Amino acid sequence: SQTIHQWPATLVQPVGSPLSLECTVEGTSNPNLYWYRQAAGRGLQLLFYSVGIGQISSEVPQNLSASRPQDRQFILSSKKLLLSDSGFYLCAWSTGQISNQPQHFGDGTRLSIL
Amino acid sequence: RKEVEQDPGPFNVPEGATVAFNCTYSNSASQSFFWYRQDCRKEPKLLMSVYSSGNEDGRFTAQLNRASQYISLLIRDSKLSDSATYLCVVNQGGSYIPTFGRGTSLIVHP
Repeated sequence: SQTIHQWPATLVQPVGSPLSLECTVEGTSNPNLYWYRQAAGRGLQLLFYSVGIGQISSEVPQNLSASRPQDRQFILSSKKLLLSDSGFYLCAWSTGQISNQPQHFGDGTRLSIL
Repeated sequence: RKEVEQDPGPFNVPEGATVAFNCTYSNSASQSFFWYRQDCRKEPKLLMSVYSSGNEDGRFTAQLNRASQYISLLIRDSKLSDSATYLCVVNQGGSYIPTFGRGTSLIVHP
């Protein structure tokens, strides 16, 4: 069966520090991968998605970036965090090469910026 | 008009009650529909897909009305553990990017 791992679970970072969140999927090949952010009490905001290695689409302008160095690995990064980057970050996957499939989420990373 | 709209609630119901949520979508090209459940400070989890003919999973029934462009979720015999936010998700045909509703909050009390 497929599993998705996301870490760390919680992170407290000072303003201006770098960020690296990692997500890996097991049990499937060439998945579609996604990064979302959810502010407290708000809906899900899609940040990036990828349909293949090295293919990254950004949905919103921001100081974050994403990379997909391997088929089942998705990384969210920032060179300098802002206070507004605080939130609940979720990685998700769906079956690759097939549209209209449900997404499956990792446990999330709760990021607090001080 | 938002692409996917849900009543945020909260819906406050006693144990054993039947409760229903609706979710409207604006894109008539939408082809796939899902309900997710999100507990407080947790990730969304797929509850069920919504098929054209409607589908049932235990106490949960999902239905699709294409003519009026809405999907519904019915929960029978509510349990305390059903308390959560229920997210409606709509996917346009051929798209890898689903659209999430903001969610409907359900609180089941003793």
